[in-house]
Amino acid sequence: EAGVTQSPTHLIKTRGQQATLRCSPISGHTSVYWYQQALGLGLQFLLWYDEGEERNRGNFPPRFSGRQFPNYSSELNVNALELEDSALYLCASSNGPGLAEYEQYFGPGTRLTVT
Amino acid sequence: AQSVAQPEDQVNVAEGNPLTVKCTYSVSGNPYLFWYVQYPNRGLQFLLKYITGDNLVKGSYGFEAEFNKSQTSFHLKKPSALVSDSALYFCAVRDSHSGNTPLVFGKGTRLSVIA
Repeated sequence: EAGVTQSPTHLIKTRGQQATLRCSPISGHTSVYWYQQALGLGLQFLLWYDEGEERNRGNFPPRFSGRQFPNYSSELNVNALELEDSALYLCASSNGPGLAEYEQYFGPGTRLTVT
Repeated sequence: AQSVAQPEDQVNVAEGNPLTVKCTYSVSGNPYLFWYVQYPNRGLQFLLKYITGDNLVKGSYGFEAEFNKSQTSFHLKKPSALVSDSALYFCAVRDSHSGNTPLVFGKGTRLSVIA
């Protein structure tokens, strides 16, 4: 069974540009979560999608947005990039709709560098 | 609100010695607790979880964790450390009544196993 996949692996952008990151969850998983892992800050929750809808977002500005497609894959968009957006962006998926005991499975991440 | 604390940024242990990585948590209801490991430039890998039942949980790669409700702790342990265990370890929590909401992660503990 294929795991969570993310693309691209690396992304280099200039300040002010837009970045688009993509995630495909494990087959059968309906929930997708996005996290930002900046150096020394641990994992910061960004966005949660389930069944095509945004369920919750973390404490990030509106220029961080995304969507979930009918096949449950997801896209994270970051507009007006700033230098501090440079980080590893991790996507995770989970099964068991509405159930708290299920773990999240993570993809390898997209390393975004803003210059 | 849910929170996790990993009081040690770094843990050093000699190969063959037992290791412990500490985690304490705070939730309003009953906790579901998780441990993940992250190797360099990789996503997070699920190690083990506590949902209910036996306080000692066994997971992947010989790791185990002990749930202690009175101390609100969930420390990760391994009887004999390997150099290959060197990585970044994250503890995470979710309230049992919160559904499949995003996990709340600690800031991580870097484990170095010295040969």
